Amino acid sequence: DTAVSQTPKYLVTQMGNDKSIKCEQNLGHDTMYWYKQDSKKFLKIMFSYNNKELIINETVPNRFSPKSPDKAHLNLHINSLELGDSAVYFCASSQEKKSNTGELFFGEGSRLTVL
Amino acid sequence: GDSVTQMEGPVTLSEEAFLTINCTYTATGYPSLFWYVQYPGEGLQLLLKATKADDKGSNKGFEATYRKETTSFHLEKGSVQVSDSAVYFCALSPATNTGNQFYFGTGTSLTVIP
Repeated sequence: DTAVSQTPKYLVTQMGNDKSIKCEQNLGHDTMYWYKQDSKKFLKIMFSYNNKELIINETVPNRFSPKSPDKAHLNLHINSLELGDSAVYFCASSQEKKSNTGELFFGEGSRLTVL
Repeated sequence: GDSVTQMEGPVTLSEEAFLTINCTYTATGYPSLFWYVQYPGEGLQLLLKATKADDKGSNKGFEATYRKETTSFHLEKGSVQVSDSAVYFCALSPATNTGNQFYFGTGTSLTVIP
């Protein structure tokens, strides 16, 4: 049973289209994230939600809009796709704690290719 | 602010060679430190962690020791295998992590050749 699952795994689309990536975690965690990994493997945090509340909102274009219908789901919608949006997008989750010892659990990634 | 710096790759080693991937950090207080591994085509998974100074994390033959005095968390393995070929990320969770923020290094690609 996959802990953090995201769909689709691969997405190929044309510039200007709108697409969504879905993420679900069955770990009972309170916090979920979206990360973007570029072709050089560099990881960049995009968003973080805690119990459906937006916590981290890094400088990303407002064409990217996260949505958390409940604490087990965090979806990412991208409008007007651009070539530079091509990347692997990772969903992750962690358990909020008073301490900082918790780890991140990652999904397998969604590879987005914009043509 | 908090940050992580790790050695750039790519690193290519022969099977059974000794591996060191350097990681240093900048942070206030006592962060938690992590190494994640990303195998080809997969997501990141935790390899090991250390949550206080002088702790040693270990897993699958890999080790890293949390050195407060040198602000380092270098990853080591005595004898690498072809199956260790992956990208390795050093990461930090700040001492006061009210936002559940994590800081990642840039990743180090390791290729082990038979």
